[in-house]
Amino acid sequence: NAGVTQTPKFRVLKTGQSMTLLCAQDMNHEYMYWYRQDPGMGLRLIHYSVGEGTTAKGEVPDGYNVSRLKKQNFLLGLESAAPSQTSVYFCASSARVHEQYFGPGTRLTVT
Amino acid sequence: QQQVKQSPQSLIVQKGGISIINCAYENTAFDYFPWYQQFPGKGPALLIAIRPDVSEKKEGRFTISFNKSAKQFSLHIMDSQPGDSATYFCAARGDTDKLIFGTGTRLQVFP
Repeated sequence: NAGVTQTPKFRVLKTGQSMTLLCAQDMNHEYMYWYRQDPGMGLRLIHYSVGEGTTAKGEVPDGYNVSRLKKQNFLLGLESAAPSQTSVYFCASSARVHEQYFGPGTRLTVT
Repeated sequence: QQQVKQSPQSLIVQKGGISIINCAYENTAFDYFPWYQQFPGKGPALLIAIRPDVSEKKEGRFTISFNKSAKQFSLHIMDSQPGDSATYFCAARGDTDKLIFGTGTRLQVFP
């Protein structure tokens, strides 16, 4: 089992460009989450999903959109990237909320 | 209050010593308190978790102590080793499908 995988691992964007981050899990988990991690600020929840076809806003949803068309995939989109979105992005999945399995992360730089 | 306050921000411990990380919360609806461990360049991984009806839980050298009346919980790492050097996050689960994370503690264990 691969667990949780994230694509790409690194990306550099110019301000205003768009991109999609892909998260895939092979554990048949219902819950999936997108977090961003910034120095001194811990893990902040962007959006999450409690099952296929559902999405919900987290703590910092502005500037991001998500989709969960298939149970195993959770996509995070940036429509118009801003320097404030420079961060490390983590995807996680879980069968139980407190037991989340994290991917390796995507390091995004917006110039 | 949907916050979990974590301290200290960083911690330096000698090999063989005890590392102690503290967290506090306000929301009495929180019902599960996990700790996550993150090594540099990796995603966080669940280390140990506790429910509020238990005052202490031990797994190997890692112990969670829980004080329900004070709304505080802490992670103790006994006989700390250089391999324990990582960032540790406490978290809490409320009456929703998500975790609230603390801001993290960077632990360095020197030989």
